[in-house]
Amino acid sequence: GAVVSQHPSRVICKSGTSVKIECRSLDFQATTMFWYRQFPKQSLMLMATSNEGSKATYEQGVEKDKFLINHASLTLSTLTVTSAHPEDSSFYICSARAGASGQSSYEQYFGPGTRLTVT
Amino acid sequence: QKEVEQDPGPLSVPEGAIVSLNCTYSNSAFQYFMWYRQYSRKGPELLMYTYSSGNKEDGRFTAQVDKSSKYISLFIRDSQPSDSATYLCAMRTGKLIFGQGTELSVKP
Repeated sequence: GAVVSQHPSRVICKSGTSVKIECRSLDFQATTMFWYRQFPKQSLMLMATSNEGSKATYEQGVEKDKFLINHASLTLSTLTVTSAHPEDSSFYICSARAGASGQSSYEQYFGPGTRLTVT
Repeated sequence: QKEVEQDPGPLSVPEGAIVSLNCTYSNSAFQYFMWYRQYSRKGPELLMYTYSSGNKEDGRFTAQVDKSSKYISLFIRDSQPSDSATYLCAMRTGKLIFGQGTELSVKP
């Protein structure tokens, strides 16, 4: 099956610093990538959707200046948490889907997640 | 009201039991229905999907969708300790909307 990797798997940073998380589709080209956030014992909440070469579309309530998303190639998307604060501590999961966003493909593959702790 | 409602559990069953996991939803436009399994501190993995109403079986797993009742189910037969995980229902028209997840523990 399709494989999505994330790096790093966990990161601890100090309040006020920025952290970059990488998401890669290893064996397919991901036209669309998604970034989710998951708090303990809660569901995945979609933060933003990005199509390769285009600006990301953010969900309501997600600060686009704080969570910078870049989808520069068909196999790589990055999420940068700028000026991180303790409340940004969470599990961040990326997901990738092959094919154009208008297609009916259900296949969305998830990365293993990145645990961010801001101290 | 959330678009997708799922009992968070936790649910604890003995090995070999039949497990029933359920979700209800409010958006009648949903057409694709999925079940994901998520182990602790890992990303979700797709278990099963169904399109529109009906049943689908894959080994010990059966997914059911009843669009008239806006209700979906996942049944696990002969449950094993390795099935212990959080099970998330998800559905989509465009975006994928997840339920809260049900934490399942299968005791040997």
